[in-house]
Amino acid sequence: GQNIDQPTEMTATEGAIVQINCTYQTSGFNGLFWYQQHAGEAPTFLSYNVLDGLEEKGRFSSFLSRSKGYSYLLLKELQMKDSASYLCAVSPTNTDKLIFGTGTRLQVFP
Amino acid sequence: GAVVSQHPSRVICKSGTSVKIECRSLDFQATTMFWYRQFPKQSLMLMATSNEGSKATYEQGVEKDKFLINHASLTLSTLTVTSAHPEDSSFYICSARDVSGERGGNEQFFGPGTRLTVL
Repeated sequence: GQNIDQPTEMTATEGAIVQINCTYQTSGFNGLFWYQQHAGEAPTFLSYNVLDGLEEKGRFSSFLSRSKGYSYLLLKELQMKDSASYLCAVSPTNTDKLIFGTGTRLQVFP
Repeated sequence: GAVVSQHPSRVICKSGTSVKIECRSLDFQATTMFWYRQFPKQSLMLMATSNEGSKATYEQGVEKDKFLINHASLTLSTLTVTSAHPEDSSFYICSARDVSGERGGNEQFFGPGTRLTVL
């Protein structure tokens, strides 16, 4: 079966760094996405990894290890507006679907 | 990036009525669209995959006769919740896949969502 695991909730302090982990077991692998979703809004794209390694984009970075079935999203210099849910999603092979994890609710405190 | 619109953004209806939600890709053609529902503080749950010109593929446990999907053109998919009941109240989100997109054609672009409340 398809399975994607993320921590349910995390908290952090403004200005700090937080790492959100995602482990997956899927039927094949064709890329991994991270999305940010504020309450009552649609998910917005943050990052995409298909090869092993680190992808950096401003304050956000995402890492992938295909052999370990593991990814993380790293958020630096946290801001209050980063309080949101972060969704890890994997594109398995031979399907159009994205398989979503449960999402991680991040709360940033002053 | 690609833009997906969804209408209406919010709807309140009486129990037993039907509600139609539209999902449009505004600046690209989408042969495949997806419908999700999301309960508070939970992740996205895929309901069905909508394919232009053919029948939708429903996920296990989703009633196809209750959630009617029509993908009549390359830019429009509709979800009709038939005979809605209070337990159908949820946040419904559509997405469209841009196969010509740069991220392997696997990226999904999400609509803003529709909040359905059934009284």
